[in-house]
Amino acid sequence: RKEVEQDPGPFNVPEGATVAFNCTYSNSASQSFFWYRQDCRKEPKLLMSVYSSGNEDGRFTAQLNRASQYISLLIRDSKLSDSATYLCVVNNANAGNMLTFGGGTRLMVKP
Amino acid sequence: GAGVSQSPSNKVTEKGKDVELRCDPISGHTALYWYRQSLGQGLEFLIYFQGNSAPDKSGLPSDRFSAERTGGSVSTLTIQRTQQEDSAVYLCASSLTSYEQYFGPGTRLTVT
Repeated sequence: RKEVEQDPGPFNVPEGATVAFNCTYSNSASQSFFWYRQDCRKEPKLLMSVYSSGNEDGRFTAQLNRASQYISLLIRDSKLSDSATYLCVVNNANAGNMLTFGGGTRLMVKP
Repeated sequence: GAGVSQSPSNKVTEKGKDVELRCDPISGHTALYWYRQSLGQGLEFLIYFQGNSAPDKSGLPSDRFSAERTGGSVSTLTIQRTQQEDSAVYLCASSLTSYEQYFGPGTRLTVT
């Protein structure tokens, strides 16, 4: 079983749609969680951290469910510019600053 | 401010040759990471440097791969006797203790 698992997609949605991605992680001792965004042929960049109480940043909402060991990302009112791969990222609790990246979920927003 | 930089941006080499890839992390970042990413695939961890501690080399795929970090700053990833399966984008990232990693633009390696 992979440490961090994501549905690779692609998710094809029309502009304005709401779309949600889930991610599961295997290490129950993991403590920090993130969503990164990677545009085609570009490097990954931090989108947002994920806090236990859930957090929102504009059209983006991240949720953490420790009991079920999954993380979600909700994007409201999708824009064409949201088209990218979204990487679920979990810290390796046994190795300091190490992060484990999921394989990513590809989103394509169509006009 | 300056982000993570990597050089070269593209490298084409013949099978069997050695290559060196360079990473300049963000100044003051104590942690440095190397990953590789094959086309359409996720990030594969290679090696991790934290301060003056011994590096975590657990992700290196073979003994043809090695990395150094001199003076706690610049890092070089060396691949000896390159093989076609080494073709990928090699990404470097640096961080402080906040877990957020800042990535460089990567080096696209093509082994012919």
